[in-house]
Amino acid sequence: EPEVTQTPSHQVTQMGQEVILRCVPISNHLYFYWYRQILGQKVEFLVSFYNNEISEKSEIFDDQFSVERPDGSNFTLKIRSTKLEDSAMYFCASSEASGTYSAENEQFFGPGTRLTVL
Amino acid sequence: LAKTTQPISMDSYEGQEVNITCSHNNIATNDYITWYQQFPSQGPRFIIQGYKTKVTNEVASLFIPADRKSSTLSLPRVSLSDTAVYYCLVGDYNQGGKLIFGQGTELSVKP
Repeated sequence: EPEVTQTPSHQVTQMGQEVILRCVPISNHLYFYWYRQILGQKVEFLVSFYNNEISEKSEIFDDQFSVERPDGSNFTLKIRSTKLEDSAMYFCASSEASGTYSAENEQFFGPGTRLTVL
Repeated sequence: LAKTTQPISMDSYEGQEVNITCSHNNIATNDYITWYQQFPSQGPRFIIQGYKTKVTNEVASLFIPADRKSSTLSLPRVSLSDTAVYYCLVGDYNQGGKLIFGQGTELSVKP
């Protein structure tokens, strides 16, 4: 069964450093997403991406964040200058489409990258 | 986007049927109701989705009354492995597929 993969599984960085989190979505999917989950809290939407551009983003997704699909298979989240409060689990997800049929818009989540900012 | 309210936690025993109700009083006409399951340290996993009446798949049923202001996820004969957090979401899939997760219901299944 196809699945979303994410690397690394755990990233430790110093405050102020740049990090890039990587995701490989399911190959025939067209919509890509990043979410984060601070330990013990709910999952929070960060950004959705379609056709090589951001389609929607939350207030969390400020100028420190950027996303890219550099090569047609990878989908990356970059945090330019990490802060302590960026420590969280970051989930990538993908969906076949964003239409009105459940088979299309079911989002498949990856296993997550745990980011620890020291 | 409509906001959802669901119980913070529920306890059950193996073999019982579990019903988790979610209220979404301000659901829009074109919003679908979706449930996700999340195990510790894993990404959420899609369980079921519906628009109205009843939907059933191999793992759950979803009951949606005519006014669509609430929905009930029904898990038949739960096992220990169903211990997880269950999220009810309403989403307008014409808005880029953004999912707004609520606090979720932490289901604990005991032997």
